[in-house]
Amino acid sequence: AQSVAQPEDQVNVAEGNPLTVKCTYSVSGNPYLFWYVQYPNRGLQFLLKYITGDNLVKGSYGFEAEFNKSQTSFHLKKPSALVSDSALYFCAVSSYSGGGADGLTFGKGTHLIIQP
Amino acid sequence: NAGVMQNPRHLVRRRGQEARLRCSPMKGHSHVYWYRQLPEEGLKFMVYLQKENIIDESGMPKERFSAEFPKEGPSILRIQQVVRGDSAAYFCASSPDEIGGYTFGSGTRLTVV
Repeated sequence: AQSVAQPEDQVNVAEGNPLTVKCTYSVSGNPYLFWYVQYPNRGLQFLLKYITGDNLVKGSYGFEAEFNKSQTSFHLKKPSALVSDSALYFCAVSSYSGGGADGLTFGKGTHLIIQP
Repeated sequence: NAGVMQNPRHLVRRRGQEARLRCSPMKGHSHVYWYRQLPEEGLKFMVYLQKENIIDESGMPKERFSAEFPKEGPSILRIQQVVRGDSAAYFCASSPDEIGGYTFGSGTRLTVV
């Protein structure tokens, strides 16, 4: 069984400061890792994914994430936070066994609040 | 490219009625996934379908819930005899293959009264 943990329900950051939203995962086989953002009353929006290759993945809106295999982590980062980054962020993992996806397993989400 | 279209956006049903949620995947996407979002549990996988086939329904409740993705037309998530506990946001996602790069719809918010 695969699982995702987002240990923080809420992260508060001052505008202009760097932000980190934490995510750890557990999966058998190769992990495929994703970050999604959800604004109020909107669907999920894809931010970035790690499939293979460089451990540092760059995505939309200036976000990036670092894949750390030894720590089974995939933390979301941004060098300078904007108030408009305030939203709910979901980390997700999928395993690709070659025979088809197991579907995404999502974390519970982390509320990111950027204070002006 | 219109993206993943879900309708209706909001659906209110009385206990015991049927709810039908529709999802039209992105053009060129033949893989469809349904997820349910409950406030305390985050998103939960329900079912994975390809055209005319259910690939993985391990997240679907055994009773009252069914899903289909016919050769023509949208994917349908059907909930029979709804109960208050079915109230949630239901999201559909599509992808061009089984690896990922999902695109999500805006969801259908089901309220059972």
